[in-house]
Amino acid sequence: AQSVTQLDSQVPVFEEAPVELRCNYSSSVSVYLFWYVQYPNQGLQLLLKYLSGSTLVKGINGFEAEFNKSQTSFHLRKPSVHISDTAEYFCAVSEYGGATNKLIFGTGTLLAVQP
Amino acid sequence: ETGVTQSPTHLIKTRGQQVTLRCSSQSGHNTVSWYQQALGQGPQFIFQYYREEENGRGNFPPRFSGLQFPNYSSELNVNALELDDSALYLCASSNGQGWEETQYFGPGTRLLVL
Repeated sequence: AQSVTQLDSQVPVFEEAPVELRCNYSSSVSVYLFWYVQYPNQGLQLLLKYLSGSTLVKGINGFEAEFNKSQTSFHLRKPSVHISDTAEYFCAVSEYGGATNKLIFGTGTLLAVQP
Repeated sequence: ETGVTQSPTHLIKTRGQQVTLRCSSQSGHNTVSWYQQALGQGPQFIFQYYREEENGRGNFPPRFSGLQFPNYSSELNVNALELDDSALYLCASSNGQGWEETQYFGPGTRLLVL
């Protein structure tokens, strides 16, 4: 069955340090990959998505992610974080050929940026 | 361009009651999906509507039902509320059903069942 795993429930990091949020997926078919961010008491905002082509995808707010098919991973990175990046980050997939374009989400990673 | 809006923002109900949540999709979008996000969890797909027809459903019981209107706005109805229905309910719209399509989320309705 398809699933998305975010191994780190919380990642504490100091301001201006680099960060990587990990995401692994399992699926028997090709997938499209997404990262969303959720600020406190808000809905989800798309950071970036991978559809095809270059495996390095750049998104908003200085984030980027790299698709690795052999490792079925789509890790999110930022070279230097800010206090304002504190939020919950969700990795999600949609399956090519599925009946709908429903998103399957991981359980999220709380990025806690400290001064 | 107006984004996805949802109403109400917060709601408190008691067990056994019924609730209706509303969603207005982003301008030009004809597909609406509903998700339930329990505390500390990722969103779970409830169902999707495309041009007023339900075209996919997640692992939710029939007491979760929905509608989509000609203007593509949508409602989520939950009957016989249970305590476990307490969650953030998110509506997302997209321009079609393509698997590559971005889903744009509203701010959600937070439902508390007592």
